[in-house]
Amino acid sequence: EAGVVQSPRYKIIEKKQPVAFWCNPISGHNTLYWYRQNLGQGPELLIRYENEEAVDDSQLPKDRFSAERLKGVDSTLKIQPAELGDSAVYLCASSLVRGQTEAFFGQGTRLTVV
Amino acid sequence: DQQVKQNSPSLSVQEGRISILNCDYTNSMFDYFLWYKKYPAEGPTFLISISSIKDKNEDGRFTVFLNKSAKHLSLHIVPSQPGDSAVYFCAARRLSNTGKLIFGQGTTLQVKP
Repeated sequence: EAGVVQSPRYKIIEKKQPVAFWCNPISGHNTLYWYRQNLGQGPELLIRYENEEAVDDSQLPKDRFSAERLKGVDSTLKIQPAELGDSAVYLCASSLVRGQTEAFFGQGTRLTVV
Repeated sequence: DQQVKQNSPSLSVQEGRISILNCDYTNSMFDYFLWYKKYPAEGPTFLISISSIKDKNEDGRFTVFLNKSAKHLSLHIVPSQPGDSAVYFCAARRLSNTGKLIFGQGTTLQVKP
C-alpha cells in the first residue's frame, strides 16, 4: 500500500513569493491533515479535512495561507506571500475515518524562505 | 500554552539497556495518547498508543505507561537497539476535537552500540 505522498520534498523561495505544496493521501482515507513543524518543535495542526470539507482551520493563518481538497482526495496548501517565519517542514497526514487517531504522515516538504 | 511537554530534549542509552522517554500534559480532557517516531528527512510514524481508560499498553519491545493522576506518560523501550535512534514525539487527543493531535516538542534518542 502506498503511503502519503507529498511534493516537493524541498523548496527554497524568496520572501514575498508564493509557494504551493501538494499531498496525495492514502487511498480511501477520508481525513486529511496539514501540519507545520518548526525546528525543534512538534508538528502543529494547520487544517483538517473530512472528505472535501475543512472541519478545523482555526490555526491556519488565513491572511496568507489557503488550502483546498477538491473531490476529497488530493490537497494543496498555498502560502502567498511567504514570509521568513514560514520556513518549516509542512507535513500532510491522513487517516481512514473520522476519529481514527493513528494518522499516517508523509515525508514532508521542507520550506526555506530567504 | 504548551499542553504536551517533553522536557528532555535528548537521551542517550547503551544498546541492550532500557530507554525511558517521558511526557507530561496539562489538559485533563485528553483521552488518547500516542507515540510517534521520526527519522531524519522522514515523516513521523506511529509507534504505540494508549487510551485514558488504561494505564499500560505493550507491543513487543515498546510499552507505554499512563499515570492520569500525575498527567504523565512514559515510553519504555527494552532492549534498546541502535535502530531505535530517532526523535520520539508524544501526542495527545482531546475528546471534543476528534482527530486533532497535540504534539510535544520531541526527544532525540541515541542508542549507542
